[in-house]
Amino acid sequence: SYVLTQPPSVSVAPGKTARITCGGNNIGSKSVHWYQQKPGQAPVLVIYYDSDRPSGIPERFSGSNSGNTATLTISRVEAGDEADYYCQVWDSSSDHGVFGGGTKLTVL
Amino acid sequence: EVQLVQSGAEVKKPGESLKISCKGSGYSFTSYWIGWVRQMPGKGLEWMGIIYPGDSDTRYSPSFQGQVTISADKSISTAYLQWSSLKASDTAMYYCAKIYDSSGYVFDYWGQGTLVTVSS
Repeated sequence: SYVLTQPPSVSVAPGKTARITCGGNNIGSKSVHWYQQKPGQAPVLVIYYDSDRPSGIPERFSGSNSGNTATLTISRVEAGDEADYYCQVWDSSSDHGVFGGGTKLTVL
Repeated sequence: EVQLVQSGAEVKKPGESLKISCKGSGYSFTSYWIGWVRQMPGKGLEWMGIIYPGDSDTRYSPSFQGQVTISADKSISTAYLQWSSLKASDTAMYYCAKIYDSSGYVFDYWGQGTLVTVSS
């Protein structure tokens, strides 16, 4: 089964740039989606198809995907961005979805 | 406005059966896949399975195949997740979510979650 690997935690100072990675075998050939989950809340889609932003998601959120790593980039980080972030792909070889283990973003 | 409204919290004993629901509105329920995601206490998201309400086609993660059943009643725009014999390890928050399209299978709208507690 396809495995997605995320760092457990990332810390960043307010106003700086946070980069959260999602590793997988040849992940660049797949479409990667990113979700933000704040404590006690349902997840929210923030990036889909590697780099598209749903309406209502700030331009500070962007994504890229190449080779064996996909990256969620959050520019000018704010305290309100503190949350858990999950990457997700569809594994077409086995016909099911997969989530990464999640990354806790801490704003210092 | 797309909405997914899930049934309320449940407290069950090991061995009991359970069926939780997710009612969709604001979109064509039969035209989009809808899925279920588990989140155990303090843990990450786990992809369980999806169903296409138009024809009840389903896909399961190998981790959940045979452990749960996903179904849908298109006449009332409702998807279900059911267990025939609960275990303590089924204690978790369960989310339903609508899929944007059947290419990347991205979850674009989520329900509020149903907390299932299994304890003797």
